Amino acid sequence: DAGVIQSPRHEVTEMGQEVTLRCKPISGHNSLFWYRQTMMRGLELLIYFNNNVPIDDSGMPEDRFSAKMPNASFSTLKIQPSEPRDSAVYFCASRLGLNTEAFFGQGTRLTVV
Amino acid sequence: GIQVEQSPPDLILQEGANSTLRCNFSDSVNNLQWFHQNPWGQLINLFYIPSGTKQNGRLSATTVATERYSLLYISSSQTTDSGVYFCAVHTGGFKTIFGAGTRLFVKA
Repeated sequence: DAGVIQSPRHEVTEMGQEVTLRCKPISGHNSLFWYRQTMMRGLELLIYFNNNVPIDDSGMPEDRFSAKMPNASFSTLKIQPSEPRDSAVYFCASRLGLNTEAFFGQGTRLTVV
Repeated sequence: GIQVEQSPPDLILQEGANSTLRCNFSDSVNNLQWFHQNPWGQLINLFYIPSGTKQNGRLSATTVATERYSLLYISSSQTTDSGVYFCAVHTGGFKTIFGAGTRLFVKA
């Protein structure tokens, strides 16, 4: 398996623009997680899905952030409108289920100017 | 919520030295993982270790769940071991909570 695949790897956008980050989990994994990493706050869990259903989105910072998982092999994290303080590395991870190992994608480095 | 504390926050080693990194957690957890984030930002799985001891080459890990801590041992450190080491705990349900990490620099 190719592992968790994220795209794009890097994104530079202007403030106010919409940004969409994409994730393909490992085939067969039924849990998917979105994290944000910054120097100030470390790795923060934003939202996670189980069997394509959002379970907990309490980590989503604002209404400008939204995430979807239309099927078992694809998820998106959207920021609209983007702001400079959204600049961070966004990671996607997947797990087979409870009490299993989490695997991370290579991340998307987002810069909002 | 559960707190995950890692120590030391920073560590500088001479190549060839050994080290122990610690992870304390404030409540019962279902499971625990150690990751290495390399200088390119990639999060690499090291160990998935709910309890007991595991070894992989120069690295080993021990988790004592009843006492709420885990240790990561690095022996004969190499410059390629540099980076940040994270402990992450899996709580009830699906949440995975990360510690702040230990930043390791190995000098040649």
